[in-house]
Amino acid sequence: EPEVTQTPSHQVTQMGQEVILRCVPISNHLYFYWYRQILGQKVEFLVSFYNNEISEKSEIFDDQFSVERPDGSNFTLKIRSTKLEDSAMYFCASTRGYEQYFGPGTRLTVT
Amino acid sequence: GQQVMQIPQYQHVQEGEDFTTYCNSSTTLSNIQWYKQRPGGHPVFLIQLVKSGEVKKQKRLTFQFGEAKKNSSLHITATQTTDVGTYFCAGKRQTSGSRLTFGEGTQLTVNP
Repeated sequence: EPEVTQTPSHQVTQMGQEVILRCVPISNHLYFYWYRQILGQKVEFLVSFYNNEISEKSEIFDDQFSVERPDGSNFTLKIRSTKLEDSAMYFCASTRGYEQYFGPGTRLTVT
Repeated sequence: GQQVMQIPQYQHVQEGEDFTTYCNSSTTLSNIQWYKQRPGGHPVFLIQLVKSGEVKKQKRLTFQFGEAKKNSSLHITATQTTDVGTYFCAGKRQTSGSRLTFGEGTQLTVNP
């Protein structure tokens, strides 16, 4: 069964550094998402992406964040200058209809 | 902004007991989805409810969507240890495109 993959599984970075989180959505899916989940808390929507552009973004998704689909398979989330409060699990998800398929996540630790 | 609240936050049951989690939205929803997240895992889609008053069943799981499309529930009959995890509802507003707003989740533990 096809699945969403994410790399790396764990990223440790220093405050102020840039990080890029990578996702490979399921190949025939059209909508892509990034969510984050701070440890023990709920899943929070960051951004949705369709037809090579952002379709919606949340209040969390400020100028420090950006997304790209640099080629036909990858979908990336960049955080320009990480803060301590960016430490969380970041999930990528994709869908063709309404059922969102989540990747295994990248645990980002900002020190 | 839209809020989706879920209760209880935690539920501990003995294997074989029933379990229910409730979800309430501050705004009318277009539809509601339910996801399960095992400890250390990622959310996995369970079901989507679209119609007012809709009831759907998946084996021991029963999902309901309220008449006003602002609340929902998930009921598990005769829990098993494999039911352990956090159950999230996620609502989609009528004007929000495909954005999902997740509830806080109910963490279920099942004692064998």
